Amino acid sequence: AQTVTQSQPEMSVQEAETVTLSCTYDTSESNYYLFWYKQPPSRQMILVIRQEAYKQQNATENRFSVNFQKAAKSFSLKISDSQLGDTAMYFCAFMKHSGGYQKVTFGIGTKLQVIP
Amino acid sequence: DGGITQSPKYLFRKEGQNVTLSCEQNLNHDAMYWYRQDPGQGLRLIYYSQIVNDFQKGDIAEGYSVSREKKESFPLTVTSAQKNPTAFYLCASSIDLGAGYTFGSGTRLTVV
Repeated sequence: AQTVTQSQPEMSVQEAETVTLSCTYDTSESNYYLFWYKQPPSRQMILVIRQEAYKQQNATENRFSVNFQKAAKSFSLKISDSQLGDTAMYFCAFMKHSGGYQKVTFGIGTKLQVIP
Repeated sequence: DGGITQSPKYLFRKEGQNVTLSCEQNLNHDAMYWYRQDPGQGLRLIYYSQIVNDFQKGDIAEGYSVSREKKESFPLTVTSAQKNPTAFYLCASSIDLGAGYTFGSGTRLTVV
């Protein structure tokens, strides 16, 4: 079974600074997807960024980028130029890449507070 | 705009009562999911449906039931058999799991 670990329950960052949220996972699979979801105080989950394991290039979406280290099974999220709207819970998620339905495993989340 | 609508936003259930949470999507996604979120835990899968008239149990299906009579709709019933139903419930859909989920805004269920 796959597991996803987010070891930082809470973090804070000054507005305009950079912050990195960590995520590690355990799997014996070689082909899979990794995701970061954001859950702001409104509680609607939003997909921030995704990474396919077979792609060596780290995914980037505007101010959000990942550091994907496949051998280390690490998938950290870097938020640059932090904004007040980035205040949210952030969840890391893992899914095998295979046909049909595949279970998505979520971490327990990291609460990020952006300080003005 | 396309999206997922969950209603109601807040729901109160009395002991022994069944309640139904609504989830409607206009994204034309085949697959829909129900997750439960409790403090300090990740999301846990209750039920999923990959196609109309078909659905499968997730990790914590006991005390819940679903139906999928239309592509757009995937209601979740929390039955009296669910002993600890107080939680936040999220509905999601996907056109391709590799692309990730689109989530609704959730329903907060409280037992009174």
